[in-house]
Amino acid sequence: EAGVTQFPSHSVIEKGQTVTLRCDPISGHDNLYWYRRVMGKEIKFLLHFVKESKQDESGMPNNRFLAERTGGTYSTLKVQPAELEDSGVYFCASSPAGVGSHYEQYFGPGTRLTVT
Amino acid sequence: SQKIEQNSEALNIQEGKTATLTCNYTNYSPAYLQWYRQDPGRGPVFLLLIRENEKEKRKERLKVTFDTTLKQSLFHITASQPADSATYLCALDTGRRALTFGSGTRLQVQP
Repeated sequence: EAGVTQFPSHSVIEKGQTVTLRCDPISGHDNLYWYRRVMGKEIKFLLHFVKESKQDESGMPNNRFLAERTGGTYSTLKVQPAELEDSGVYFCASSPAGVGSHYEQYFGPGTRLTVT
Repeated sequence: SQKIEQNSEALNIQEGKTATLTCNYTNYSPAYLQWYRQDPGRGPVFLLLIRENEKEKRKERLKVTFDTTLKQSLFHITASQPADSATYLCALDTGRRALTFGSGTRLQVQP
């Protein structure tokens, strides 16, 4: 079974440009999450999709960030326009639907975003 | 404010010994506490989950304890091996599924 995949693995853009990150969750996982780690800080939650619906977007830093999950499969996270403080590693994770043991999350390798 | 503390100093131990990592939290009422392993350049990998009404959970050489009165979890790796060298992350879940991570503790097991 393929794990969570993310594309690109690394992106370098200039301040003011737009970048779109993509996440493909494990097939059949209804829950999809975005997290990010900025330099020297802990991993922080951004938002949570259940299928195509945003369940929790309390961690989104501002309206320059837009996440979508059309059709409830893959997700994109767009940053427009990018600022220097957006640099960091963006992780995507997924988990199956249901309660009980399905609260563990499966993480992708991350996308390293560098804004210059 | 809510806070999760993990020992930011690296933990160095000899192969075969037991590694014990600490996670302390304040101003949280987590329903679940999870431990993840992270290797350089990779995403976190789930290891163990313990619920608020559980005191201890084991999986092979791993053991997690959870004391909601002390607001502390201890993570043990017995008979440690050099391959156990990694950063270990504590994460809290209040039941909303959004994980709140600590900054992690780097473990180095010397052969």
